[in-house]
Amino acid sequence: GEDVEQSLFLSVREGDSSVINCTYTDSSSTYLYWYKQEPGAGLQLLTYIFSNMDMKQDQRLTVLLNKKDKHLSLRIADTQTGDSAIYFCAPKRGTGGSYIPTFGRGTSLIVHP
Amino acid sequence: NAGVTQTPKFQVLKTGQSMTLQCAQDMNHNSMYWYRQDPGMGLRLIYYSASEGTTDKGEVPNGYNVSRLNKREFSLRLESAAPSQTSVYFCASSFMTSGGAGETQYFGPGTRLLVL
Repeated sequence: GEDVEQSLFLSVREGDSSVINCTYTDSSSTYLYWYKQEPGAGLQLLTYIFSNMDMKQDQRLTVLLNKKDKHLSLRIADTQTGDSAIYFCAPKRGTGGSYIPTFGRGTSLIVHP
Repeated sequence: NAGVTQTPKFQVLKTGQSMTLQCAQDMNHNSMYWYRQDPGMGLRLIYYSASEGTTDKGEVPNGYNVSRLNKREFSLRLESAAPSQTSVYFCASSFMTSGGAGETQYFGPGTRLLVL
């Protein structure tokens, strides 16, 4: 099955950029998602990229995909304390009519003043 | 719309007790899922239901059963709880979006379960 690897922690200063990295093994992944989980809450879809794209920008978020190396990254510009959360990389594994993502272990982003 | 709702929010069980976690969605989604989240482990899929009337095992189904009662509701049952089932349980539902986002999952707020 798919393996998804993320570093567990990232600490940045408020106002700096954050880069969260993810590697995956299934080269047939078609959609690659980033989810955000705030403390005590469920996951919320943050952004996504389709596998035929190299980059996607959405306001402060930039997703980069290196399909050859199976490497995905999420860059958050001008990181704020409200960005402190756990970020999950989730490539899509398609099966029948249902969407089954494989989640990484999550990267805890800590933003300090 | 309430989105995805889960009950209860918290539960403490003794080893061997049984309980059912409830999940409902009001977004008319076809697919529903149960995950467990353990510290440092990410989310692991327990069971999923691609459509009303169908259920399939995920990565960690042992010790659990599910029922897709109707299109809205998907319940998770622990027949004989064990301390290893102490976890946070998330229900999710999904639909195929237009505009190139593929199939998007929506998550409930979670049920925190402690088995003593």
